Amino acid sequence: GQNIDQPTEMTATEGAIVQINCTYQTSGFNGLFWYQQHAGEAPTFLSYNVLDGLEEKGRFSSFLSRSKGYSYLLLKELQMKDSASYLCAAARDDKIIFGKGTRLHILP
Amino acid sequence: DAGITQSPRHKVTETGTPVTLRCHQTENHRYMYWYRQDPGHGLRLIHYSYGVKDTDKGEVSDGYSVSRSKTEDFLLTLESATSSQTSVYFCAISGEGGPTDTQYFGPGTRLTVL
Repeated sequence: GQNIDQPTEMTATEGAIVQINCTYQTSGFNGLFWYQQHAGEAPTFLSYNVLDGLEEKGRFSSFLSRSKGYSYLLLKELQMKDSASYLCAAARDDKIIFGKGTRLHILP
Repeated sequence: DAGITQSPRHKVTETGTPVTLRCHQTENHRYMYWYRQDPGHGLRLIHYSYGVKDTDKGEVSDGYSVSRSKTEDFLLTLESATSSQTSVYFCAISGEGGPTDTQYFGPGTRLTVL
């Protein structure tokens, strides 16, 4: 079967660090996407991991372990504008399968 | 930002009426997708296209049809709308890598079926 799991909601404080985990099970796995979606808006691309390891892009980093079917998105120096949903998505040869998203709340 | 527009942006219709949503891109990308997004379900693929007149079903295709007569336009039709089709619909495009290429999303259409 195919399945993507991520926490439904998380809360963190402005200036802190938060890690959003994602586990996946899917055949024909090619890579792992992370998207950000603000309320009422379209998803926007954050990162794509194909190989194992950590990729850093400014305040955001994404990690992948193919053997464990596991990824995480790390957000540093949290800002209020980071309040959004974060979507984990597994890429297969024929399609992308999205998780249900993690809603991140940032407290001042 | 990728040049993707959707029309209409909001629509309210009645059960049993036909509805067509339009996605237009200016990127000349080969692949186009229609998703619906509902609370508790996330983004689910309805149909996708890998070229002009080439389309295929996604995981929730029942009650929907699509057409792609030009590279830039991908239409989603609800032949007879039902209340269960009330949702936010997103169009997306990707390049030659297809589904493993980054997808860029349009602004969405909020559809309410009464």
